[in-house]
Amino acid sequence: SYVLTQPPSVSVAPGQTARITCGGNNIGSKSVHWYQQKPGQAPVLVVYDDSDRPSGIPERFSGSNSGNTATLTISRVEAGDEADYYCQVWDSSSDHKVFGGGTKLTVL
Amino acid sequence: EVQLLESGGGLVQPGGSLRLSCAASGFTFSSYAMSWVRQAPGKGLEWVSAISGSGGSTYYADSVKGRFTISRDNSKNTLYLQMNSLRAEDTAVYYCAKEPGIAARWYFDLWGRGTLVTVSS
Repeated sequence: SYVLTQPPSVSVAPGQTARITCGGNNIGSKSVHWYQQKPGQAPVLVVYDDSDRPSGIPERFSGSNSGNTATLTISRVEAGDEADYYCQVWDSSSDHKVFGGGTKLTVL
Repeated sequence: EVQLLESGGGLVQPGGSLRLSCAASGFTFSSYAMSWVRQAPGKGLEWVSAISGSGGSTYYADSVKGRFTISRDNSKNTLYLQMNSLRAEDTAVYYCAKEPGIAARWYFDLWGRGTLVTVSS
């Protein structure tokens, strides 16, 4: 089965740029989607199809995907961005959805 | 308002059964694939099962295949998850989630608030 690997944690100071990676075998050939989950809340889609943003998501959130790594970039990080972030793909070989293990973003 | 509302969670003994429901509103339910995603306490997200908009295609994670059954009633705008032979490791918050198209091969653009299932004696 397809595996997505994320760092458990990322820390960044307010106003700086946070980059959260998602590794997978030839992930650049897949569409990667990202979710933000705050404590006690349901996940929220923040980036889909590698780099598109749903309506209502700030432009500070962006994504890229190439080779074996996809990246969620959060510019000008705010305290309200502190949350868990998950990457997700659809594995066409199994027709299964796959999530990464999640990354806890801490705003220092 | 576009929303999903899960119900049916609770405490069940190992080996028992439970049926979850997810009531959808604010969109044409039959036009979209739906999934169940769960999250064990303090853990990450795990996709459980998906169903196409028509209900004709279903998919399951290996961890629940043969024990869980996903279904939908498009006349009632409701998604279901029948869970049998429950195990302690099935303890989790179960979310229903909507996909952006009729086939179950994308991402989740709308989530419910979740319902907690606890499997314990």
